[in-house]
Amino acid sequence: EVQLLESGGGLVQPGGSLRLSCAASGFTFNSYALSWVRQAPGKGLEWVSTISGSGVSTYYADSVKGRFTVSGDNSRNTLYLEMNSLRVEDTAVYYCAKDGGDLLTGPLEYWGQGALVTVSS
Amino acid sequence: QSVLTQPPSVSGAPGQRVTISCTGSSSNIGAGYDVHWYQQLPGTAPKFIISGNTNRPSGVRDRFSGSKSGTSATLAISGLQAEDEADYYCQSYDSSLRKVFGGGTKLTVL
Repeated sequence: EVQLLESGGGLVQPGGSLRLSCAASGFTFNSYALSWVRQAPGKGLEWVSTISGSGVSTYYADSVKGRFTVSGDNSRNTLYLEMNSLRVEDTAVYYCAKDGGDLLTGPLEYWGQGALVTVSS
Repeated sequence: QSVLTQPPSVSGAPGQRVTISCTGSSSNIGAGYDVHWYQQLPGTAPKFIISGNTNRPSGVRDRFSGSKSGTSATLAISGLQAEDEADYYCQSYDSSLRKVFGGGTKLTVL
């Protein structure tokens, strides 16, 4: 059974940093792309970033490019999202999701329960 | 503003059939990239219900179906039930190297 468990959310001041983790199980970690998707309060889904199964290729939404970094640790089966220079508009529930393959074009087959990040002074 | 356009809301009575449209452009849906659909029940994470335009994952009821034509895709839900009340999102890939979502459609079962 595929499981994705996010952690690391919390309250941070504007300009601060936070690292989200996503512990994955139930599949071969380095065979699938993994993505982060966020949802601001009362709003729709917004794709944030995707990393290929090998970890060689990474992709980012324009809204986070240069501030966020996605990475994966195959030895721990864990996905990370390092978030720097946080802004109030980054406030959202952040979901970790497993892609259906190793292509950016595939569906997001499994989702974690989400981690809330609040950026506020 | 979302790259893919969905109606903000649709509604239907129990037993009826409703459709949700998803309109893109020549750089995403019109370029031949697949459309996927997700259901988000209140207070929960999204759930994948249609992949590759028309395919239902195991466990998804056959009351849900998808189609695609040109720069648009459609999710149809037949035999509407109270449990179908949720937000629905379409998603595709854009040639600018990003996944893109629709703004979401709130389905109300009357």
